[in-house]
Amino acid sequence: EVQLVESGGGLVKPGGSLRLSCAASGFTFSSYSMNWVRQAPGKGLEWVSSISSSSSYIYYADSVKGRFTISRDNAKNSLYLQMNSLRAEDTAVYYCAFTVAGTGAFDIWGQGTMVTVSS
Amino acid sequence: DIQMTQSPSTLSASVGDRVTITCRASQSISSWLAWYQQKPGKAPKLLIYKASSLESGVPSRFSGSGSGTEFTLTISSLQPDDFATYYCQQYNSLVAFGQGTKLEIK
Repeated sequence: EVQLVESGGGLVKPGGSLRLSCAASGFTFSSYSMNWVRQAPGKGLEWVSSISSSSSYIYYADSVKGRFTISRDNAKNSLYLQMNSLRAEDTAVYYCAFTVAGTGAFDIWGQGTMVTVSS
Repeated sequence: DIQMTQSPSTLSASVGDRVTITCRASQSISSWLAWYQQKPGKAPKLLIYKASSLESGVPSRFSGSGSGTEFTLTISSLQPDDFATYYCQQYNSLVAFGQGTKLEIK
């Protein structure tokens, strides 16, 4: 079964750092681009970042550029999001997601991990 | 950056109704548009990809249409399980989501 499991969320103070992980299973992780999407409490979905299968291409939303770093370890079937200089507006559920069927749309999502930035 | 605008933001309807949600892109995205359904506390679920292709396992009462800058999601006969929030997403140039449409029971 294709599965994504996020971890690493928690409570952090403004200006702090956190590293999220997304463990992948049930598919050949190294063949697929991966993405992070977040959702602030009571708000809509916001794309955060994408990384190609070999890490050659990386993209960020303007709202996180310069503060967040996406990376992957294909040997460990894992996706990461290093979040620095965190702000209250980064408070959200963070999902990893990708397209396994090759359509471009995100047909597989993790369950999400909550990040709360508060003093 | 491409902006996605959905309307309406909230839609009240009854079981059995036919409903339509509209999504507009700030520039042409060809047919690179998806629709998702999300229920409280759950991850989004893909319904439609490439504007009009039904994801496997999704009931046929869901349909999508459009190309370029204007798209619609139609539910032909609302079922109790359909009351949720719906999002459009463009994936022509990076990724962007619409703000969502909450479908409520009238």
